[in-house]
Amino acid sequence: EARLVESGGGSVQPGGSLRLSCEGSGFNIGRNWMHWVRQVPGKGLVWVSRVNGDATVKSYADAVRGRFTISRDNAKNTVYLQMDSLRAEDTAVYYCVRVMTYDMDAFEMWGQGTMVTVSS
Amino acid sequence: QSVLTQPPSVSGTPGQRVTISCSGDAPNIGSNFFYWYQQFPGKAPKLLMYRNTQRPSGVPDRFSASKSGTSASLAISGLRSDDEADYYCATWDDSGRYVFGSGTNVIVL
Repeated sequence: EARLVESGGGSVQPGGSLRLSCEGSGFNIGRNWMHWVRQVPGKGLVWVSRVNGDATVKSYADAVRGRFTISRDNAKNTVYLQMDSLRAEDTAVYYCVRVMTYDMDAFEMWGQGTMVTVSS
Repeated sequence: QSVLTQPPSVSGTPGQRVTISCSGDAPNIGSNFFYWYQQFPGKAPKLLMYRNTQRPSGVPDRFSASKSGTSASLAISGLRSDDEADYYCATWDDSGRYVFGSGTNVIVL
């Protein structure tokens, strides 16, 4: 069964860093745009970042631009989200998302989510 | 803050038809497609509708959607107890950001 598996979440102090990983299992992520979406527990969904198939195009939400970096290693079938200068407001469940093959705006496959807690 | 406004909740009895509105805050929302996602508590969201009106494989035809201008709506016909979930609309705004609606909790009475 094809799925996305996130890892790397945890607790960190404000100003700290974490790197989230998202590995595709049972399929090749190579040609798909990949995104990160976050959700504060009990709140709504917020788009964070995206990267195209060959990592030549990346974009970020205003709230994380300059602090977060998205990347991918297609040989490892993995997408990453490097999160630096973390703030309390970055606390959320982070989901990795793969888009539809024929509709790059349709968030078709979601990972199970990984929790990031930023607190002193 | 979301530029797509949804009602916080809608409710209905089993078998009824309910609709969820998604109002875009023009001019941020252009001529892009709308998407809908369903999320159960503690679970990852699931793609429910794409390109305004299309259902992915496996989504029952009880779910339908439409778009008009910078707004969209999702309808659930023949409401069932297992439709109780949060529903989010989404689209790209003209600044190149993917924006989600504020979310609507569907309650089956």
